[in-house]
Amino acid sequence: GAGVSQSPRYKVAKRGQDVALRCDPISGHVSLFWYQQALGQGPEFLTYFQNEAQLDKSGLPSDRFFAERPEGSVSTLKIQRTQQEDSAVYLCASSLLGLGVDYEQYFGPGTRLTVT
Amino acid sequence: AQSVSQHNHHVILSEAASLELGCNYSYGGTVNLFWYVQYPGQHLQLLLKYFSGDPLVKGIKGFEAEFIKSKFSFNLRKPSVQWSDTAEYFCAVRTGGGNKLTFGTGTQLKVEL
Repeated sequence: GAGVSQSPRYKVAKRGQDVALRCDPISGHVSLFWYQQALGQGPEFLTYFQNEAQLDKSGLPSDRFFAERPEGSVSTLKIQRTQQEDSAVYLCASSLLGLGVDYEQYFGPGTRLTVT
Repeated sequence: AQSVSQHNHHVILSEAASLELGCNYSYGGTVNLFWYVQYPGQHLQLLLKYFSGDPLVKGIKGFEAEFIKSKFSFNLRKPSVQWSDTAEYFCAVRTGGGNKLTFGTGTQLKVEL
C-alpha cells in the first residue's frame, strides 16, 4: 500500500516568507508526527496529533511554527516569517495508535527547506 | 528529559567485516528502543525494535541488537556487512508509554568493496 507522502519535496524560501508543508499519512493511521532534521543531526520531535487533536506541541521551536490536521488525515506544517535557522528537512511520520509491540512510526521522504 | 547518544559518527568498514554501532540512552523508566536506517536517497525505515522479553532482537537484513538494561545500551550488530549496508543508522527511544521518538545524531556507515 501507499506510504507516507510529503509535498513539496524541496522548498526554497526567501527569509521572511511563509511556507506550508503537507503530509499525507498512511490511510487509517491515527497518530501523526512532525520532526525537524537539521544537517548532521537526528530527527527532533516537533508535534504530535491523534486524529485531529494536537496532543503535544512541545517541540515547536517558536510561535512562528504552526501545525494542523483539521480532518484527522492530511496535516500541514506552516512556518511564518522563515529564518535561516529554519533550514532543515521536515519529516512526517504516522502510526497506528497503541502501545503494543507492533508499534512503529512510518516516515515520509521529508521536505527539504532552504531559507536564503 | 531523555536523550540518546550514538558514539560513532562515521564508520568505514570493508565488506565482510563485523559491525557494532553503539547506542546509549538516558531514562530510568520503561523504554521501547528502535534502530532506523536511511539508505542514500531513501526515507527512514525501521530495522528492528525492542519492547520487552528477549533482550536480543533480530531485525531485517541480518541485523540484531542487544538491550542491556544495566548499561542503558542498545547496540546494533551485524556479523558480516555488505556494500549495500552503506547508509545512515539512527537509534531512537520511546519512553514512559508516550508516543514521540527521541533520536540519536546518527552514524554514517560506509562499506567499501
